Amino acid sequence: AQSVSQHNHHVILSEAASLELGCNYSYGGTVNLFWYVQYPGQHLQLLLKYFSGDPLVKGIKGFEAEFIKSKFSFNLRKPSVQWSDTAEYFCAVNEDTGFQKLVFGTGTRLLVSP
Amino acid sequence: NAGVTQTPKFQVLKTGQSMTLQCAQDMNHNSMYWYRQDPGMGLRLIYYSASEGTTDKGEVPNGYNVSRLNKREFSLRLESAAPSQTSVYFCASSELRLSTDTQYFGPGTRLTVL
Repeated sequence: AQSVSQHNHHVILSEAASLELGCNYSYGGTVNLFWYVQYPGQHLQLLLKYFSGDPLVKGIKGFEAEFIKSKFSFNLRKPSVQWSDTAEYFCAVNEDTGFQKLVFGTGTRLLVSP
Repeated sequence: NAGVTQTPKFQVLKTGQSMTLQCAQDMNHNSMYWYRQDPGMGLRLIYYSASEGTTDKGEVPNGYNVSRLNKREFSLRLESAAPSQTSVYFCASSELRLSTDTQYFGPGTRLTVL
């Protein structure tokens, strides 16, 4: 069965620091990739997604992610974090079968100190 | 436009009790999903409904039943609650069930089974 690994469970950064959250998946075929975010007290929402084309995708709030097929990775990055980026971040993968069956990673809790 | 709503927000049950979690979406989406989120395990799919009138098992369906009442509503029922069902439950919807679709999530129901 497909699995998704997020190795960083908790990350603490100061404002203006750069962020990179790792995401690796196990499936060898074509995949669609997502990052979802849950801000404190809010719904889980889409940050960005990749399904074809340029492997560097940009999302909301200055986030971007790079799909590296050879490494089975889809790492999330932001050059300079803000206190408002404090949230839990989930990577999710869907085999490109035409049907949605998301497999989520365990999540990374990011705390940004002002 | 409320998006995806869930009731109740919190619930405490005793072992063996039954309850139904309600979910509704006002985005005219065809597909709806139920997930559970446990510490260190990410979100796991319980059941989904690709379209009105259809339901299918996800990764962890045991102990649950679902009903797609109409296009808007998708309920999750615990017939005889067990402590292992203590979790946070999320409902989600997507326009279709394509592997590239974005899912929109509700606020979650925090369930404790004593």
